[in-house]
Amino acid sequence: DADVTQTPRNRITKTGKRIMLECSQTKGHDRMYWYRQDPGLGLQLIYYSFDVKDINKGEISDGYSVSRQAQAKFSLSLESAIPNQTALYFCATSDWPGAQGEQETQYFGPGTRLLVL
Amino acid sequence: AQKVTQAQTEISVVEKEDVTLDCVYETRDTTYYLFWYKQPPSGELVFLIRRNSFDEQNEISGRYSWNFQKSTSSFNFTITASQVVDSAVYFCALSEAEAGGTSYGKLTFGQGTILTVHP
Repeated sequence: DADVTQTPRNRITKTGKRIMLECSQTKGHDRMYWYRQDPGLGLQLIYYSFDVKDINKGEISDGYSVSRQAQAKFSLSLESAIPNQTALYFCATSDWPGAQGEQETQYFGPGTRLLVL
Repeated sequence: AQKVTQAQTEISVVEKEDVTLDCVYETRDTTYYLFWYKQPPSGELVFLIRRNSFDEQNEISGRYSWNFQKSTSSFNFTITASQVVDSAVYFCALSEAEAGGTSYGKLTFGQGTILTVHP
């Protein structure tokens, strides 16, 4: 079974609808992230969470909200979807660097393709 | 602010050719981490390598090798004897860290390089 799962894998919705993308992980990591990928732009950080009570905005948080329901679950919501939110969305997780402070590696889920009509 | 530039938008090679993917980064921090990820046609992101700013040793893993040069702020990726299965989008990414090495945990990605390997 995959360590990081995302549901749904594909979603088509209409402008103005509220939708939620869900992410679950079995890696036991504290840190979770949501990224968005647009063609030719790489990935951009939407929100990130270092633990259940620590949620932070990323580069492009406008129009999005998140909920960290548990260590293993991190959901992304589009309150009122618009066509320019059509993109590929990735969830990622990473472990706490620890006493040595070494950078952890981020592991990505399979992605959710969202189309807003 | 940190920035990652992958100037090569697309590269096309014939199988067995060697190919180098360029990555240039900008950061004001002295402690940082660099990454390469592969995104095959199926869409998932696969971690390839992590390198910290204190370690300039080049690394080789099978047909893959990485050249990190702080003097030119570059972290280039070479595939030797390319294969069709290497066809993918490759991303370089940067994460800044505190002086003690603890990362801020956020990745800045380059735009990606689309590599196509023809049989």
